[in-house]
Amino acid sequence: DGGITQSPKYLFRKEGQNVTLSCEQNLNHDAMYWYRQDPGQGLRLIYYSQIVNDFQKGDIAEGYSVSREKKESFPLTVTSAQKNPTAFYLCASSPALTYEQYFGPGTRLTVT
Amino acid sequence: KQEVTQIPAALSVPEGENLVLNCSFTDSAIYNLQWFRQDPGKGLTSLLLIQSSQREQTSGRLNASLDKSSGRSTLYIAASQPGDSATYLCAVRPQGGSEKLVFGKGTKLTVNP
Repeated sequence: DGGITQSPKYLFRKEGQNVTLSCEQNLNHDAMYWYRQDPGQGLRLIYYSQIVNDFQKGDIAEGYSVSREKKESFPLTVTSAQKNPTAFYLCASSPALTYEQYFGPGTRLTVT
Repeated sequence: KQEVTQIPAALSVPEGENLVLNCSFTDSAIYNLQWFRQDPGKGLTSLLLIQSSQREQTSGRLNASLDKSSGRSTLYIAASQPGDSATYLCAVRPQGGSEKLVFGKGTKLTVNP
């Protein structure tokens, strides 16, 4: 089955700890994205990557970091510098930047 | 700055009804527009993608239209079913092939048996 997987589905962390969210795709897509979804708000872009070893900041990159060492993987690290990390995080991919985006199932992060 | 609005925020209809969901955007200079469905606690499922040069797209019981000049798109759902209950999100990609999709906040649809 082709698709996007995100793990884990639920993640709990203590304040001050860094945490890494996994995103893997087997669609052979070049572009990958990370979004954050909060209740009552639209999705907001955190980071995106057009190609391996390249990534760009989105609208709300502060407190987050990413890497793109492999085409199929785009992990997101939520650092202790992120002031409000509790949210639903969605990973997406597309064949290229302007093409239709496909989303993974999401990871719900709770930081207390 | 592009802004996307979806009204109403919530809609409840009886099973079998045909319905229309609305999406409006402030800047008509768009590259494409995408409609998504999101079930509670789940990721987004792409329903339809309309390029700026197109007027509509159809997939099964779904039909999406685009009127760029007026900054509006509609998603028409025919013969609604309880399984259609979900939140429907509209997103536009600004012209120039931007990497960024600008999302509306969605319309939560409930189809009652």
